[in-house]
Amino acid sequence: AQSVAQPEDQVNVAEGNPLTVKCTYSVSGNPYLFWYVQYPNRGLQFLLKYITGDNLVKGSYGFEAEFNKSQTSFHLKKPSALVSDSALYFCAVRDNSNYQLIWGAGTKLIIKP
Amino acid sequence: EAQVTQNPRYLITVTGKKLTVTCSQNMNHEYMSWYRQDPGLGLRQIYYSMNVEVTDKGDVPEGYKVSRKEKRNFPLILESPSPNQTSLYFCASSPGGVGNYTFGSGTRLTVV
Repeated sequence: AQSVAQPEDQVNVAEGNPLTVKCTYSVSGNPYLFWYVQYPNRGLQFLLKYITGDNLVKGSYGFEAEFNKSQTSFHLKKPSALVSDSALYFCAVRDNSNYQLIWGAGTKLIIKP
Repeated sequence: EAQVTQNPRYLITVTGKKLTVTCSQNMNHEYMSWYRQDPGLGLRQIYYSMNVEVTDKGDVPEGYKVSRKEKRNFPLILESPSPNQTSLYFCASSPGGVGNYTFGSGTRLTVV
């Protein structure tokens, strides 16, 4: 079955430290992978995507994600966290049978000053 | 400004009273979709549309209807709302089926 797992409900990081939000996936065929961010009382915003090519994908707000085919992972990273990065982060993979996105449950990222 | 506009932002209604949540996009996107977001359940897809007059059920279509008569609009209709449809609803659009969606700001619906 196709699925996305975000194993951590919440990640706490001190401001200035590197952050990682984990995502693993299971999909038939080539994976199309996405990260979105949701700030409080707002809609989701697209951060970045992996379709093909370089395993390290750069996105908005200084975020990047590393695609690892052997581990079926697509972890979101940032070298130095900001308090303003505090938000809910969703990983998603495209279901190649119907082109719909399969969403992870979301990870709440809290950056402490 | 490229955007997806949902209305209303907040709505409180009573059980059984038909309502429509509107969604409009100004980016000429072919694809549009409706989601509901509930605590602990993440995002669940209600309906989607790959283009005008083409709609398909998502994971939780029961109790909802949609139509896609024009490219820019994709209204969500609740013919007889029930309390279990109390939720935060999002509309999204994208060019084709690529997956980099633009989301609306959401509609918080309460059915009493």
